[in-house]
Amino acid sequence: KQEVTQIPAALSVPEGENLVLNCSFTDSAIYNLQWFRQDPGKGLTSLLLIQSSQREQTSGRLNASLDKSSGRSTLYIAASQPGDSATYLCAVIGGWGNDMRFGAGTRLTVKP
Amino acid sequence: DAGVIQSPRHEVTEMGQEVTLRCKPISGHDYLFWYRQTMMRGLELLIYFNNNVPIDDSGMPEDRFSAKMPNASFSTLKIQPSEPRDSAVYFCASSYRGNTEAFFGQGTRLTVV
Repeated sequence: KQEVTQIPAALSVPEGENLVLNCSFTDSAIYNLQWFRQDPGKGLTSLLLIQSSQREQTSGRLNASLDKSSGRSTLYIAASQPGDSATYLCAVIGGWGNDMRFGAGTRLTVKP
Repeated sequence: DAGVIQSPRHEVTEMGQEVTLRCKPISGHDYLFWYRQTMMRGLELLIYFNNNVPIDDSGMPEDRFSAKMPNASFSTLKIQPSEPRDSAVYFCASSYRGNTEAFFGQGTRLTVV
């Protein structure tokens, strides 16, 4: 069974700082990996999807990378803003049955 | 498309009652996922469907839980009888071909008292 781990569990940074969130997974046989954002009491909002054949994806200030062989992905947030404060979750879509499994998330706080 | 639609948004019920949660996936999506989210266990995959057929229900915690997808535009998750430990937020998500971008509904917050 695929295990997905996210570190750190929580992160607090001052506004303007660049930061990296980490996601690791145990089985490299994946179709793709997706990063989500969740605000308190809300649903999940898709940020970026990386196909297994890709190495990275960019959207605005966000850049996600994928290294299948080592079972790792990172989400880079440039010039962080207080509005970026949320929980960030990564999900791995398995190559064996297309199920989607999540890490526990990283709770990010960006202080003004 | 209005996105994935879940109803109700909030449900409070007494222990022992039957609870039915509903989900309408995005039109054209052929995969549908049900998740449960709690502080202790995070997001747990309960069951997922492909073309209305259940593919993996190994995450369904007990026989009290059942899910159906009678057609491509509707799915239900039923808990009978409900227990206080079932209190959680239940999410539904859908995707096309299972390996493209998945979209989530706003969730149903279930409280069993």
